[in-house]
Amino acid sequence: DAGVIQSPRHEVTEMGQEVTLRCKPISGHNSLFWYRQTMMRGLELLIYFNNNVPIDDSGMPEDRFSAKMPNASFSTLKIQPSEPRDSAVYFCASSTDIYNSPLHFGNGTRLTVT
Amino acid sequence: EDKVVQSPLSLVVHEGDTVTLNCSYEVTNFRSLLWYKQEKKAPTFLFMLTSSGIEKKSGRLSSILDKKELFSILNITATQTGDSAVYLCAVEQVQGAQKLVFGQGTRLTINP
Repeated sequence: DAGVIQSPRHEVTEMGQEVTLRCKPISGHNSLFWYRQTMMRGLELLIYFNNNVPIDDSGMPEDRFSAKMPNASFSTLKIQPSEPRDSAVYFCASSTDIYNSPLHFGNGTRLTVT
Repeated sequence: EDKVVQSPLSLVVHEGDTVTLNCSYEVTNFRSLLWYKQEKKAPTFLFMLTSSGIEKKSGRLSSILDKKELFSILNITATQTGDSAVYLCAVEQVQGAQKLVFGQGTRLTINP
């Protein structure tokens, strides 16, 4: 079991640039979640998918953020344009079912926007 | 507003000590409470609690939920330096389908 795989591990970019974060969930998991972690706000859910369909994106901070899941094995989180306040660790997680199934987290992408 | 509050925020103890971490919550439509351990990278799952008064145990770690008083505790006995981590508490809501609300975490440091 390779676990949830995220790339890149670190991303440093300048304000205004587009950033794309990638995630490969665990094979067979049908729910995928994007979280953001900061010192100030802790872990916050941004969006989640079930069977590749976005279910709830109410946590997405603003229109600069978008997420897609074109197939069961791949998802992206895009920020365009990026701002310094977007600096955080972004985690992707997956689970086998929506309820009663603990999340398996990837190792995260540390994003720094200067 | 739904919230999960953990205490203490930081704790430093000596190896061999026993520690108790606290988690209180105020959420609508509670479904379950989960504990995660986060070392340098990804949070890893420890326990999921859905019923009051039933202790979950894994080695030196144990946890219990009180749905009447709206809190949970995580106990670690005979602590080791490898237990040093941030311990996260999260609550799942019925309508939120794994839309977990996380607490701020407790940073536990075990000194040799």
